[in-house]
Amino acid sequence: DAGVIQSPRHEVTEMGQEVTLRCKPISGHNSLFWYRQTMMRGLELLIYFNNNVPIDDSGMPEDRFSAKMPNASFSTLKIQPSEPRDSAVYFCASSFRGGNTEAFFGQGTRLTVV
Amino acid sequence: AQSVTQLGSHVSVSEGALVLLRCNYSSSVPPYLFWYVQYPNQGLQLLLKYTSAATLVKGINGFEAEFKKSETSFHLTKPSAHMSDAAEYFCAVRLGYSSASKIIFGSGTRLSIRP
Repeated sequence: DAGVIQSPRHEVTEMGQEVTLRCKPISGHNSLFWYRQTMMRGLELLIYFNNNVPIDDSGMPEDRFSAKMPNASFSTLKIQPSEPRDSAVYFCASSFRGGNTEAFFGQGTRLTVV
Repeated sequence: AQSVTQLGSHVSVSEGALVLLRCNYSSSVPPYLFWYVQYPNQGLQLLLKYTSAATLVKGINGFEAEFKKSETSFHLTKPSAHMSDAAEYFCAVRLGYSSASKIIFGSGTRLSIRP
């Protein structure tokens, strides 16, 4: 399996623009997590899905952030409008079970908002 | 609240010395605990996980961790550090058995190795 695939790997955008980050989980996995990593706040869980349904979005910082999972093989995280403080590395991870089953991470998308 | 605490944001050891990275958890349910490693500009990869089959867990690259319920700890150790161990290490806990359970991470510990 190719693992969790995120695109793009790098994104530079201007403040106010819409940004869409994409994630393809590992085939057969039924849980998908979006995390944001910054120096100041570490690795924060933004939202996660189970069987394509959002379970907990309490980590989404503002209404400017939204996430969807239209099917088992694709998810998006959208920021509209983007702000410089959104600059971070965004990770997607997937898992196929709970308990002691780990999450598998993608390589991340480094977002820079100027 | 359920949480993971990593003591020490930065640990520096000499090559060949013992590595000890600390992790304490708080969970109202049986904890499912993990250690991940992150190399620069990469995603996180699993080092090891607690499966309840044994309190001492062995992982990749010579790392191991011991689960101590009485101390609510899951510290990561390696007897002899190697230069290639320099990376960021994260402790994580999964809050439940269901596939719909969340995984939360500690703040991370950056490990530096001195020649």
